[in-house]
Amino acid sequence: DAEITQSPRHKITETGRQVTLACHQTWNHNNMFWYRQDLGHGLRLIHYSYGVHDTNKGEVSDGYSVSRSNTEDLPLTLESAASSQTSVYFCASSESTWGARETQYFGPGTRLLVL
Amino acid sequence: AQKITQTQPGMFVQEKEAVTLDCTYDTSDPSYGLFWYKQPSSGEMIFLIYQGSYDQQNATEGRYSLNFQKARKSANLVISASQLGDSAMYFCAMREVNNNDMRFGAGTRLTVKP
Repeated sequence: DAEITQSPRHKITETGRQVTLACHQTWNHNNMFWYRQDLGHGLRLIHYSYGVHDTNKGEVSDGYSVSRSNTEDLPLTLESAASSQTSVYFCASSESTWGARETQYFGPGTRLLVL
Repeated sequence: AQKITQTQPGMFVQEKEAVTLDCTYDTSDPSYGLFWYKQPSSGEMIFLIYQGSYDQQNATEGRYSLNFQKARKSANLVISASQLGDSAMYFCAMREVNNNDMRFGAGTRLTVKP
């Protein structure tokens, strides 16, 4: 079955370190997204991609970067981790950007703690 | 800027009864999609139902239906015959066709009582 996976599921790191969170989908979806979820804020969009080599900034992109070298993967990099980036990170993908096919399907999430 | 409002931080419902979770949105774009997701305590985000702004009929998916009132800009989720497994956080979301962001509401925590 097609799926979307994230790794690691849990990560503890120190302030200032570079961290990369992996996201892999086998839906063959063109569109991929990264969100963070914090108490009281729901989900907020960090970065998104509409295809290979396409990346775009979302609402809360400062301190994060992504690259898309193939259809299946969209890794999220925290260049220099800060305590404010302690959060739960979700990756999602969608088939299209219109109609019911724009529905985003989410990975299981990664809990990141920055000490 | 688009905005999603879920005014009910928490809701309780008796098992087997129906419950309505409120969602209002703000947009000036005539083309948009509305979504509801469920997040159980295990943490995953589960897609429940989709409504397009041009859809003439309210969306339904099993026990879930979306009460779409376009003029009022509301997209309430109705869960019929509640089950204990329905206890979770529920998020309303919207994506405008001309805006790449999908915005989420703050969520409603539903508790189903036996």
